[in-house]
Amino acid sequence: SQQGEEDPQALSIQEGENATMNCSYKTSINNLQWYRQNSGRGLVHLILIRSNEREKHSGRLRVTLDTSKKSSSLLITASRAADTASYFCATVSAGGGADGLTFGKGTHLIIQP
Amino acid sequence: DADVTQTPRNRITKTGKRIMLECSQTKGHDRMYWYRQDPGLGLRLIYYSFDVKDINKGEISDGYSVSRQAQAKFSLSLESAIPNQTALYFCATSALTTGELFFGEGSRLTVL
Repeated sequence: SQQGEEDPQALSIQEGENATMNCSYKTSINNLQWYRQNSGRGLVHLILIRSNEREKHSGRLRVTLDTSKKSSSLLITASRAADTASYFCATVSAGGGADGLTFGKGTHLIIQP
Repeated sequence: DADVTQTPRNRITKTGKRIMLECSQTKGHDRMYWYRQDPGLGLRLIYYSFDVKDINKGEISDGYSVSRQAQAKFSLSLESAIPNQTALYFCATSALTTGELFFGEGSRLTVL
């Protein structure tokens, strides 16, 4: 069953604007990760945030984690046309993730030039 | 060369045929995974392996089998393909059970 659920399912914004995607999950986690997938390609890891962290930055990416609400957000600042892709959150269970990551259904982001 | 290589990249087959999807990696990771992606459903875990002698079923293993031929090779088989196994299949590796996954480019399978 899906652990993470991204919101919105689809998002279209103008180039230069900020894009925010949200992820909610159900059970306690060890960490939460965000991945990007260009159409028809493999997923690429963007950022990992551990359960004891609240915010993390990487370039134009900012991720927050609220374990009390079981939610995370991914902010992409100053979006570019090349950011058009699907974005997935994935969780590693608090038990150590022996059975791999559990992925959400993704947010499809379109950046209008 | 890609760190995680999947073959074939595209395959069209008929119902009842046996299909093997192969994955090889040069990252030296012990952990390897097979995921299936369907539109609107995200990725679901089929099988995973932590070493050559360790194979585990994932969320949707029915109708699939795997073989870990070596640390670097992990194959997924469909013994008798059916149309609802039409999907995009991904192999992935990781160094740690809690770490990031490294994905192949995917194998698109169509079962007619």
